[in-house]
Amino acid sequence: SQTIHQWPATLVQPVGSPLSLECTVEGTSNPNLYWYRQAAGRGLQLLFYSVGIGQISSEVPQNLSASRPQDRQFILSSKKLLLSDSGFYLCAWSVGGARETQYFGPGTRLLVL
Amino acid sequence: SQQGEEDPQALSIQEGENATMNCSYKTSINNLQWYRQNSGRGLVHLILIRSNEREKHSGRLRVTLDTSKKSSSLLITASRAADTASYFCATEGGANNLFFGTGTRLTVIP
Repeated sequence: SQTIHQWPATLVQPVGSPLSLECTVEGTSNPNLYWYRQAAGRGLQLLFYSVGIGQISSEVPQNLSASRPQDRQFILSSKKLLLSDSGFYLCAWSVGGARETQYFGPGTRLLVL
Repeated sequence: SQQGEEDPQALSIQEGENATMNCSYKTSINNLQWYRQNSGRGLVHLILIRSNEREKHSGRLRVTLDTSKKSSSLLITASRAADTASYFCATEGGANNLFFGTGTRLTVIP
């Protein structure tokens, strides 16, 4: 069966520090991968998605970036965190495009102080 | 924007009652999905309804889709305290991504 992992679960970082969040998927090949951010009590904002290794589509311009160095690994990064980067970051995968179900990881709660 | 909008934003009911949540969207779709999120957790897929379907059931869940009104509803029958969560609808945002609504926060009081 397929599983998706995210780490860390919780992260507290100072403003201006770098960020690296990792997401890995097991049990499937060539998945579509997604990064979302969710502000407290709000909906999901799509940040990046990837349809293959090295292929990244950005939905919202900001100081975050994403990379997909391996088929089932998706990394969210920042060189310098802002206070506004605080939120709940969710990784998800699907077997295909927008017509397919997405499967979410447990999320990483980031607090930038 | 293709993003779905749920209504109401928050709903509080007694255990055993039915809960109805609505979703409206703006452009044509191939399917619409409903997801559930427990507090502080990832989203879990509940049900997918295709544009040529009008109603779909899964256990205590009933989803309807009215493409002429560009709306969908999620009905949870005989609610339980464990149904307390946020519920999101999602529609296609493009070839490869979904747009999620802002969600309905459901509280079921024991």
